[in-house]
Amino acid sequence: DGGITQSPKYLFRKEGQNVTLSCEQNLNHDAMYWYRQDPGQGLRLIYYSQIVNDFQKGDIAEGYSVSREKKESFPLTVTSAQKNPTAFYLCASSSRYYGYTFGSGTRLTVV
Amino acid sequence: QKEVEQDPGPLSVPEGAIVSLNCTYSNSAFQYFMWYRQYSRKGPELLMYTYSSGNKEDGRFTAQVDKSSKYISLFIRDSQPSDSATYLCAVMNRDDKIIFGKGTRLHILP
Repeated sequence: DGGITQSPKYLFRKEGQNVTLSCEQNLNHDAMYWYRQDPGQGLRLIYYSQIVNDFQKGDIAEGYSVSREKKESFPLTVTSAQKNPTAFYLCASSSRYYGYTFGSGTRLTVV
Repeated sequence: QKEVEQDPGPLSVPEGAIVSLNCTYSNSAFQYFMWYRQYSRKGPELLMYTYSSGNKEDGRFTAQVDKSSKYISLFIRDSQPSDSATYLCAVMNRDDKIIFGKGTRLHILP
């Protein structure tokens, strides 16, 4: 079945540590996105990529980095510069005809 | 004015009732309209996707779009406890820019 796979489901980060969240899709979508979801704040766009080797900052990109070396993959790194990283992170891809498809999410907790 | 406004709820209704969820949007450039359902600790899943005014029905779910008043609705008939979730509306323009509502939490009471 086509879809988006995010891993891991749960991730714990120590202070000062960088962590990378994985996102893989087999939908053959060109565009991919990373969102952060906090209680009461809805979905906030971190980064997006409309084509391989190109990506753009979203509304809250500070403290995050991405790469897009393959069409299928769009990993997100949460760097030590992100001061409040505890959140639920969602990866998505999109098609004009089918809207946005989301992964099952990664819950990141700072310990 | 926010681009998409959605009442956060929570909305509690008894099992079997008809549920009405609504959003308003401010920009007439939005041409595509979606409803997503999100269970706790899961990713949103697409329920309905439409690009025209009027009604679209899928089983117990009906999406309604009124472009003249910039108002979109989702109706759930014969609501079930398994419908308890957060429902997000979304609007998208021709450049694939999408704006999500903040979601309405729905509780169906057995």
